[in-house]
Amino acid sequence: ETGVTQSPTHLIKTRGQQVTLRCSSQSGHNTVSWYQQALGQGPQFIFQYYREEENGRGNFPPRFSGLQFPNYSSELNVNALELDDSALYLCASSLGSGEAFFGQGTRLTVV
Amino acid sequence: QKEVEQNSGPLSVPEGAIASLNCTYSDRGSQSFFWYRQYSGKSPELIMFIYSNGDKEDGRFTAQLNKASQYVSLLIRDSQPSDSATYLCAVRKGGYSTLTFGKGTMLLVSP
Repeated sequence: ETGVTQSPTHLIKTRGQQVTLRCSSQSGHNTVSWYQQALGQGPQFIFQYYREEENGRGNFPPRFSGLQFPNYSSELNVNALELDDSALYLCASSLGSGEAFFGQGTRLTVV
Repeated sequence: QKEVEQNSGPLSVPEGAIASLNCTYSDRGSQSFFWYRQYSGKSPELIMFIYSNGDKEDGRFTAQLNKASQYVSLLIRDSQPSDSATYLCAVRKGGYSTLTFGKGTMLLVSP
């Protein structure tokens, strides 16, 4: 158990819809990063939040957006879902630049 | 050239043997190095991290780092069938920058 909780664990959406994924960071951690892991691939960085500000973004289109709240929990929003968005979405929390611990992930399937 | 490269495997070893997992990285600015274990359908679990050249041991695991050769390895002694998983190598440049992952190496330990 890492203390990082993600919800929901599984989700099925239709192409074109919007989705919101949630992450509760480990107690005391102020940095949250989101990753997308397609089948057979390593996790790919989407973006990172530190103290409610986005401070890094990977090569993902603007329809991927996020938020971090004062309690350091976070949301990942994806608009206009595409079939290729089907993946395991991982949230990782850390204390600044310390070791990052992952939640259990959300498996998103777009049909 | 990919930023982090790993042989996808599978690497097959008998129970009790030493498993050696390798990773190379391209960015000489990388400062910290991580090994995650990922069971099928699960999220990555941090097992080792290393910042300085040389070896770092933790139980049956030893991480080795050679910054001059841009090479990181993970040795697993006395391999057990429960070690069968995909091992992800990740690097970070420092500060609040994020993790860049390889595709992972699948390890199979046969009884």
